[in-house]
Amino acid sequence: DAKTTQPPSMDCAEGRAANLPCNHSTISGNEYVYWYRQIHSQGPQYIIHGLKNNETNEMASLIITEDRKSSTLILPHATLRDTAVYYCIVRVRTSTGNQFYFGTGTSLTVIP
Amino acid sequence: DAGVIQSPRHEVTEMGQEVTLRCKPISGHDYLFWYRQTMMRGLELLIYFNNNVPIDDSGMPEDRFSAKMPNASFSTLKIQPSEPRDSAVYFCASSTDRVKLFFGSGTQLSVL
Repeated sequence: DAKTTQPPSMDCAEGRAANLPCNHSTISGNEYVYWYRQIHSQGPQYIIHGLKNNETNEMASLIITEDRKSSTLILPHATLRDTAVYYCIVRVRTSTGNQFYFGTGTSLTVIP
Repeated sequence: DAGVIQSPRHEVTEMGQEVTLRCKPISGHDYLFWYRQTMMRGLELLIYFNNNVPIDDSGMPEDRFSAKMPNASFSTLKIQPSEPRDSAVYFCASSTDRVKLFFGSGTQLSVL
C-alpha cells in the first residue's frame, strides 16, 4: 500500500514547467512527502522532500497544500533528460519502523 | 565517490541454481537496502540493514531468499534455489538518514 495516487503518465514540452501532482489524503501530521525519479535502466534518484512548507532545491520545487492531502512537484524548465518515472512517496509504518514504499509513479515524457 | 556498486550487472541462470547478488554501499553510509523491481509489482523493499544488522526483512518473499552484511562495505542477497518468478531487477541502496537513498545501477536477473 503506497498511500499515494499519481497519474500514470504525463507529457511536457521541453523548456516548459512540468507539474506533477500527487494525492496523499491519508497522510498523518508528522509524515513527510518524498519525491524520487527513475530514469530508464537506472536506480531511483532522490529529488526533494517536505513536511508542510514549500521546498526548493537545485532540481525542483515541492508545493504542499495547506491540508497536506496533496502536493505538486515542479520541474521549472523541463529538459529531455528529465524524462523518467517520478515517484511520490509517503512512508508506511511497519512493526520495525517507517519505510519507503514506491508506488507505480508518473511516467513523464519531455517532448522536444 | 563511486556511488553504490552492484555486481553483476546482468545475471542469467537456470531454475534451481543458486544466485548471489553483491553490493558495496557508499562509504560512511550505515543503512543498506535491497529492493526488487518488476513490471507487475513495481519497486518492493526486501530487507534493510542498519550498522550491518538486519532490521526489517518482512519484504523477503520466502525462505529461498537470504541477505547478509558481514561488514560495513559489503552485502549479499542470495536466492537458493532460484525460480523463474524471481526474474527482476534487484537494487541495492545506501543512506545515512533513511531519507536520501542512493541507489546502485541494479542487477538484471533472468531465471530460465
